[in-house]
Amino acid sequence: DGGITQSPKYLFRKEGQNVTLSCEQNLNHDAMYWYRQDPGQGLRLIYYSQIVNDFQKGDIAEGYSVSREKKESFPLTVTSAQKNPTAFYLCASNAGALGGELFFGEGSRLTVL
Amino acid sequence: GQQLNQSPQSMFIQEGEDVSMNCTSSSIFNTWLWYKQDPGEGPVLLIALYKAGELTSNGRLTAQFGITRKDSFLNISASIPSDVGIYFCAGQLGGSQGNLIFGKGTKLSVKP
Repeated sequence: DGGITQSPKYLFRKEGQNVTLSCEQNLNHDAMYWYRQDPGQGLRLIYYSQIVNDFQKGDIAEGYSVSREKKESFPLTVTSAQKNPTAFYLCASNAGALGGELFFGEGSRLTVL
Repeated sequence: GQQLNQSPQSMFIQEGEDVSMNCTSSSIFNTWLWYKQDPGEGPVLLIALYKAGELTSNGRLTAQFGITRKDSFLNISASIPSDVGIYFCAGQLGGSQGNLIFGKGTKLSVKP
């Protein structure tokens, strides 16, 4: 079945460590996105990519990095520079028109110990 | 940045009751989307709206694109326990190709 797969589902990290969250889609979508979700908050955009080898900062990009080497993959690295990394991270994709219907993965919960 | 005001923030209702929630903004939108998120899962698209005044149903769910293009509402009729979750509105600003803007969500609890 087509969809978006995020891994790991749960991740624990010590302070000062970088961690990479995986996102893979087999929907043949051009655009991919990373959002952060905190309790009681809406979704905040971290980074997005409309095409391979190109990506743009979202509203809260500081302390994060991404790459888009393949159309299907858009990994997110949470670096040690991110001051408050504990959150639920959601990857999404769409056909390419910015703002069009987004399809989400099941999320990855990162906890910094 | 641009904001969507989603209300209510939370609702506690009895099974069988109807539910209504809405999103408003001071800006004009050309797309409204409604999502539901179960605990620990990603949001799932419920209804998409593309025209002012559009009224669309999906089973017991009905959503409308406000005629002013600044608001949208979602109604759930005859609620059941599995309706529990967080409902998000999302909109794309009119006249732009900007990314979606999300409301902060309405948390729905249903008492059997």
